[in-house]
Amino acid sequence: EVHLLESGGGLVQPGGSLRLSCAASGFTFRDYAMTWVRQAPGKGLEWVSAISSGGAKTHYSDSVKGRFTISRDNPKSSLYLQLNSLRAEDTAVYFCAKANSSSSAFSYFDDWGQGTLVTVSS
Amino acid sequence: SYEVTQPLSVSVALGQTATITCEGDNIGSKHVHWYQQKPGQAPVLVIYKDNNRPSGIPDRFSGSNSGNTATLTISKVHGDEADYYCQVWDSSQVFFGGGTKLTVL
Repeated sequence: EVHLLESGGGLVQPGGSLRLSCAASGFTFRDYAMTWVRQAPGKGLEWVSAISSGGAKTHYSDSVKGRFTISRDNPKSSLYLQLNSLRAEDTAVYFCAKANSSSSAFSYFDDWGQGTLVTVSS
Repeated sequence: SYEVTQPLSVSVALGQTATITCEGDNIGSKHVHWYQQKPGQAPVLVIYKDNNRPSGIPDRFSGSNSGNTATLTISKVHGDEADYYCQVWDSSQVFFGGGTKLTVL
């Protein structure tokens, strides 16, 4: 059974940084692309970033490009999201999700974690 | 940026058929995926590549996609109250619709 566990969320001041982690188990992590999706309180889903299975290809939404960095450590079966220059509008639950294939493009997301809350406030 | 539009809410009587649309420019040329999200829970994939059901999803869920509209259809609605989101890829980015709240009367 696929299991994805996010961690690293918390309260951070505007302009601050945070690193989110997603520990994966129950599947061969190195074979699948992964993604981060966020959801602001009471709002809809917003895609953040995706990374190919080997880590060579990454994609970002326009709203986070240049501020967030996605990465992965395949031997550790872990996905990361480095959040820099945080703004109030980045406040959200951040979900990691597994893609259906090794390619980060044109995929859908067939397993999701429960999310970790990031709150950006002074 | 690719815009994907969903109705804010859809209401349907218990046991009837619910239809949720997802509109976008020539969306029929793209693969559309659908997710169900119940309150306080993570999203669950219910339809992928327009009209395919993952294992464990009842055959009451179906999808179609043509022209500028993709559609999620849920027949014999019961226990399906949730938010539903469509998803597409365009220009190396993922776009979600704004979500539709399905209410069962």
